[in-house]
Amino acid sequence: EAGVTQFPSHSVIEKGQTVTLRCDPISGHDNLYWYRRVMGKEIKFLLHFVKESKQDESGMPNNRFLAERTGGTYSTLKVQPAELEDSGVYFCASSPAGRESYEQYFGPGTRLTVT
Amino acid sequence: AQSVSQHNHHVILSEAASLELGCNYSYGGTVNLFWYVQYPGQHLQLLLKYFSGDPLVKGIKGFEAEFIKSKFSFNLRKPSVQWSDTAEYFCAVTVYSGAGSYQLTFGKGTKLSVIP
Repeated sequence: EAGVTQFPSHSVIEKGQTVTLRCDPISGHDNLYWYRRVMGKEIKFLLHFVKESKQDESGMPNNRFLAERTGGTYSTLKVQPAELEDSGVYFCASSPAGRESYEQYFGPGTRLTVT
Repeated sequence: AQSVSQHNHHVILSEAASLELGCNYSYGGTVNLFWYVQYPGQHLQLLLKYFSGDPLVKGIKGFEAEFIKSKFSFNLRKPSVQWSDTAEYFCAVTVYSGAGSYQLTFGKGTKLSVIP
């Protein structure tokens, strides 16, 4: 079974540019989460999809961040325009429906550097 | 809001030494508790989890953790570490957010360096 995959693994962009991160969850997982770790800080929740619907986006920092999950499969996280403080590692995680949804499976992360 | 505290930022041990990493959380209700590990160059992996039942849980690679409800703690232990245990360890809790979401709240992580 393939795990959670993320693309790209690393992105370096200039302040003001746009970047789109992609996450492919484990096949059949209804729940998809985005997290971010800014250097030196803890990993923080951004948002949660259940299938194609946003269940909880309380962790999104501001309206420069836009997440979508097309057809309940892969998800994209767009940052537009990027700011210096957006640098960090963006993790995606997925989990199945039901009680097992408590256990989340993580992707390798995308390291975003904004210069 | 709930929070998770990990007491040590960086721990350095020699091989065969015993390990205990502290984790405390602040939340008065029912929690699910996790320890995740990130080996160098790899993704976050689940070491062990506690949902209910026996408060002493065993995970992969010889790790175990004990949930002490009265102390709001979930400390990670291993009797004898190996060089391959060098990694960053994260304690995390899930709490129902009220918005239908069981998001994870993480501690800041503890880097473990094991010296051969």
